[in-house]
Amino acid sequence: GAGVSQSPSNKVTEKGKDVELRCDPISGHTALYWYRQSLGQGLEFLIYFQGNSAPDKSGLPSDRFSAERTGESVSTLTIQRTQQEDSAVYLCASSLDGSGDTQYFGPGTRLTVL
Amino acid sequence: SQQGEEDPQALSIQEGENATMNCSYKTSINNLQWYRQNSGRGLVHLILIRSNEREKHSGRLRVTLDTSKKSSSLLITASRAADTASYFCATARSYNTDKLIFGTGTRLQVFP
Repeated sequence: GAGVSQSPSNKVTEKGKDVELRCDPISGHTALYWYRQSLGQGLEFLIYFQGNSAPDKSGLPSDRFSAERTGESVSTLTIQRTQQEDSAVYLCASSLDGSGDTQYFGPGTRLTVL
Repeated sequence: SQQGEEDPQALSIQEGENATMNCSYKTSINNLQWYRQNSGRGLVHLILIRSNEREKHSGRLRVTLDTSKKSSSLLITASRAADTASYFCATARSYNTDKLIFGTGTRLQVFP
């Protein structure tokens, strides 16, 4: 497809379980971003990947959160030992080269931690 | 903390009226962008204005940028019920352009 895709679209998990969220960016986009959005709130930056550079992890809220990216393609966001406050929509975006370019967003994964 | 803050937080208007949303930011920017979000899912890019531009148009959208006041406005003319959404501004800072910093959003409701 031509756009950013994310899976799953919805995830319900029990407190304490680990979850893995996936993002497929637009082909050729070197920059990839993860955001979190709680209900009715703005976007909270989590992590940014740009090419082969070390990722900017400055937005990750705790060491339970981690993310990886394989080259310039798929990225996975992992949340370990999920807590109820982790419930949110997790949005992925990609851009051509990350220099303040337009970002193209995926549809998000709605995570619910019971 | 958020770089951008939108004002108002919520706006309700009738179809056909114009909707104006404002965004203020704190640091020097390379560009400012407006995004739209329906139903709490993915955002869609609307328009980008660079720091050396003052006004830009796209269809029914008009964006202005005042770098001296560190503010921008988004005007939607002749609004439609389908314009109902949340609108976010995002800034690319001039000294670190690799991330966009999103504002808190304006929730627009257009009644038919």
